[in-house]
Amino acid sequence: DAGVIQSPRHEVTEMGQEVTLRCKPISGHNSLFWYRQTMMRGLELLIYFNNNVPIDDSGMPEDRFSAKMPNASFSTLKIQPSEPRDSAVYFCASSLALQGADEQYFGPGTRLTVT
Amino acid sequence: GENVEQHPSTLSVQEGDSAVIKCTYSDSASNYFPWYKQELGKRPQLIIDIRSNVGEKKDQRIAVTLNKTAKHFSLHITETQPEDSAVYFCAASGSYQLTFGKGTKLSVIP
Repeated sequence: DAGVIQSPRHEVTEMGQEVTLRCKPISGHNSLFWYRQTMMRGLELLIYFNNNVPIDDSGMPEDRFSAKMPNASFSTLKIQPSEPRDSAVYFCASSLALQGADEQYFGPGTRLTVT
Repeated sequence: GENVEQHPSTLSVQEGDSAVIKCTYSDSASNYFPWYKQELGKRPQLIIDIRSNVGEKKDQRIAVTLNKTAKHFSLHITETQPEDSAVYFCAASGSYQLTFGKGTKLSVIP
């Protein structure tokens, strides 16, 4: 398996633009997580899905952020409109969590810069 | 919700010495405690994990201990090598999601 795949790897955009980050989890995994990593705040969970259903989105900073998982092999995280403070590395991770938490496999991340 | 505190934030050791990183958690229902290593510019990767029914787990030079009563767990790295230099994150979970500590930057000096 290729592991978790994220695209794009780098994104530079201007304030006010829409940004869409994409993730393909490991085949067979039933849980998917979106994280944001910054020096100041560390690794923060934004939202997670179980069997394609959003379970907890309490980490989503505000209404400008939205996430979808239309099927078991694809998820998107959208920021609209983007702001400079959204600059961070965004990681997607997946897990085969049958009876609670288990190892999460991280993708390579998307480095987002908003100018 | 869960709160995980991790100390120290930075740690420098001489090659060959041991390194210890400590974490505390707040939710007594947490039962899964993984440790992730993140090299510069790379993704976090699991190096070892422990569940609440076990007090200690070892994998070659790496060990983790768990004290459920005190709600703290520790990572021990023995015979450190330069390639151990990275940021280490602890995490705790009582359900499906992980709450991460802020990380410890470990530098192993040759």
